[in-house]
Amino acid sequence: EVQLVESGGGLAQPGRSQRLSCTGSGFRFGDHGMSWFRQAPEKGLEWVAFIRRKAEGETTEYAASVKGRFIISRDDSKSVAYLEMNSLKIEDTAVYYCTRAHPYSVGWTLDYWGQGTLVTVSS
Amino acid sequence: DILMTQSPSSLSASVGDRVTITCRASQGISNYLAWFQQKPGKAPKSLIYSASSLQSGVPLKFSGSGSGTDFTLTISSLQPEDFATYYCLQYNDYPWTFGQGTKVEIK
Repeated sequence: EVQLVESGGGLAQPGRSQRLSCTGSGFRFGDHGMSWFRQAPEKGLEWVAFIRRKAEGETTEYAASVKGRFIISRDDSKSVAYLEMNSLKIEDTAVYYCTRAHPYSVGWTLDYWGQGTLVTVSS
Repeated sequence: DILMTQSPSSLSASVGDRVTITCRASQGISNYLAWFQQKPGKAPKSLIYSASSLQSGVPLKFSGSGSGTDFTLTISSLQPEDFATYYCLQYNDYPWTFGQGTKVEIK
């Protein structure tokens, strides 16, 4: 059974850093891209970051709202994807979800999602 | 950025109704369009990818169509478990962008 479990959420002060982890199981982690999304309280979904699999150079993409502050990375030996969040802002407060990006012929399908981890940025 | 305009923002429907939700992209996205269902307090669930491909395990009452700029999600016969918020997502270009969501409520 495919599972994604996020961890590392909690309360953080503005300007500080926090690292989220997403541990995958039940599938070949290295064969998939990984992505992070977030949802602010009572708001819609927002894409945050994406990292390709090793075979595609582990290249990364970011939303403009986090580019230069957040870093997505992966450790396939541990089946973990990370989201390093730096210079946190109040508006980064959200539930953060990780997803598996399963490749198909010409694109990706975000077929499995973790349960989410809440990050609250407040002084 | 590609703007995804989803409509309606909410709808009321009865069990057994056929429901259609539309998503319009501000520029052509080929068929790089996915649909998700989200229930309160839960993670989104993937329903459709590549505009019309049903995710494994998703009931056949869900279907997607469209290409280019106009897309549709149809629920053929609404059931109690289908009351939720539905989102479209374009992944043709970065940044990936969502529609604002459609809340499907019980009439």
